[in-house]
Amino acid sequence: QSALTQPASVSGSPGQSITISCTGTSSDVGGYNYVSWYQQHLGKAPKLMIYEVRIRPSGVSDRFSGSKSANTASLTISGLQPEDEADYYCSSFTSITSLGVFGGGTKLTVL
Amino acid sequence: QVQLVQSGSELKKPGASVILSCKASGYTFTDYAMSWVRQAPGQGLEWMGWINTKAGNPEYAQGFTGRFVFSLDTAVSTAYLQISTLKPEDSAVYYCATLGFTYGLDYWGQGTLVTVSS
Repeated sequence: QSALTQPASVSGSPGQSITISCTGTSSDVGGYNYVSWYQQHLGKAPKLMIYEVRIRPSGVSDRFSGSKSANTASLTISGLQPEDEADYYCSSFTSITSLGVFGGGTKLTVL
Repeated sequence: QVQLVQSGSELKKPGASVILSCKASGYTFTDYAMSWVRQAPGQGLEWMGWINTKAGNPEYAQGFTGRFVFSLDTAVSTAYLQISTLKPEDSAVYYCATLGFTYGLDYWGQGTLVTVSS
């Protein structure tokens, strides 16, 4: 069982917005602004999309945004495009082990 | 540009050992720690731990102690993952990734598939 909880799947139509949640505890998501989000297309390596809760690395579309409230972080993708269809993982630093932990992953389907 | 190039696929028998490599380029190797991440077939990502590329000291996540060893050769900007006494459940893709200062995994290798089967 993953340390962080994500919905197994979400879906949306092109042009719509979707939000993926990532729920942890005060020992990880709620206690630190060290939440990251990764996109993984089938058969490919993950790609960093968001770090420190809401910062986009250079080259990542501004359609991707991150936020956090209490023990839950969220990734919002606006203006859905077919190429956004992928698996998305959140991760956070955890003080329990002083290492990182991942969520179980969310499969995004663009209808 | 930053690149992490991992070694090729491995097919091993149970009980054997394997060493995976991750060669970095495009940045100063010792500026960032290196993490290892496992992904079993059809499963999610698991954080295995990381190694401090300046001091060489590793940190292992629960479940990755004992049979898993992280090491470095800074002269050739390469990180290694050794897995001993392989089990079928070790079959997975193993990724290396640079670890940013706020625990973001900035750059990833292409992954190495390890298959353990008799």
